[in-house]
Amino acid sequence: ETGVTQTPRHLVMGMTNKKSLKCEQHLGHNAMYWYKQSAKKPLELMFVYSLEERVENNSVPSRFSPECPNSSHLFLHLHTLQPEDSALYLCASSQGRQTTNEKLFFGSGTQLSVL
Amino acid sequence: GQQVMQIPQYQHVQEGEDFTTYCNSSTTLSNIQWYKQRPGGHPVFLIQLVKSGEVKKQKRLTFQFGEAKKNSSLHITATQTTDVGTYFCAGADNQGGKLIFGQGTELSVKP
Repeated sequence: ETGVTQTPRHLVMGMTNKKSLKCEQHLGHNAMYWYKQSAKKPLELMFVYSLEERVENNSVPSRFSPECPNSSHLFLHLHTLQPEDSALYLCASSQGRQTTNEKLFFGSGTQLSVL
Repeated sequence: GQQVMQIPQYQHVQEGEDFTTYCNSSTTLSNIQWYKQRPGGHPVFLIQLVKSGEVKKQKRLTFQFGEAKKNSSLHITATQTTDVGTYFCAGADNQGGKLIFGQGTELSVKP
């Protein structure tokens, strides 16, 4: 148990559905991240929040919409996804505000399948 | 932009053999981190290297950071079946850039 909890663990959705991924960290960290992990590809940084302020938006399509209501919770709202969006979505947190050299604590991920 | 390349992509070893994965960056790094992801699991932080030429050891694992801070390696001595998984390096350039992950090296160990 890393102190970062993600729900759901698995999600199957159609291209017209709207769903949300949830992440909660119990570590008192100040930064939270969304990563996408596709087969045979490196982890791709999607979004970074530091003290609830979005500090990184890595050219992610608008069909992915993040929300960070407080420093412990992070959401990823999904709508009109494409089959190529199927992947493991990982949430992570780090202690400090600076996000480039911090140790990352990952959640277990949500395995998303888009049909 | 900054790229982090990792080789090999796959490595199959007999239990007891050594294993090494290499990480190379196109730019000078401020630090390098290593993570391990077990099959079906999530990445878990192993170590961070910051200084040029730094070498750190964790039991059978030895981590090195190159003198030019553009490459790194992870060496496992006498692999065990518990070492199975994918090992990722991740580095941030020294211009305040974001942390970039390599594509990982998947290690399988045959008992």
